[in-house]
Amino acid sequence: AQTIHQWPVAEIKAVGSPLSLGCTIKGKSSPNLYWYWQATGGTLQQLFYSITVGQVESVVQLNLSASRPKDDQFILSTEKLLLSHSGFYLCAWSPASYEQYFGPGTRLTVL
Amino acid sequence: GDSVTQTEGLVTLTEGLPVMLNCTYQSTYSPFLFWYVQHLNEAPKLLLKSFTDNKRPEHQGFHATLHKSSSSFHLQKSSAQLSDSALYYCALSGQGTGSKLSFGKGAKLTVSP
Repeated sequence: AQTIHQWPVAEIKAVGSPLSLGCTIKGKSSPNLYWYWQATGGTLQQLFYSITVGQVESVVQLNLSASRPKDDQFILSTEKLLLSHSGFYLCAWSPASYEQYFGPGTRLTVL
Repeated sequence: GDSVTQTEGLVTLTEGLPVMLNCTYQSTYSPFLFWYVQHLNEAPKLLLKSFTDNKRPEHQGFHATLHKSSSSFHLQKSSAQLSDSALYYCALSGQGTGSKLSFGKGAKLTVSP
């Protein structure tokens, strides 16, 4: 069975500080991977997706970047956080049949 | 482009009454449709997925039927339970590998005794 892990579980960061969020999936080779952002009380907004190592496509950037350094790893980062970056960050993976399965998420608070 | 319009905002029901959350979509092809459920402080979970062969998917008492003629995928349950209280999102999958899931704005279902 596939398992998806995100780290950290929660972060409190200062405006202007850097950020790195991680996602790892086990039990599935060459998955499609996705990053989503959800503002408090808001809907899900897809940020990036990747279908293979080293390739990342941007959907909505929000002054964030993403990388896929390994087949099972997806990283979301920024060098300078904004207040508007606060929210719930979700990593998801997809098999071939289009549905997506979400990780447990990282809750980010920017002060 | 692809878009999803669903029941939005707060939906309040009494336990035992039927649940109906609407979802309609616009797409230039035949997409897959999904319902996701998100409980408080948790990640969304896939609840239902449309089939291509007119089967009606069911899970945890919920069901939905894809009607291509009306571009709809409404979520239904015959009898609401307290544990059904959650956020519900309808989503549409774009074409091709790695394509985008377009989510509706979500409906917050609250079931009271």
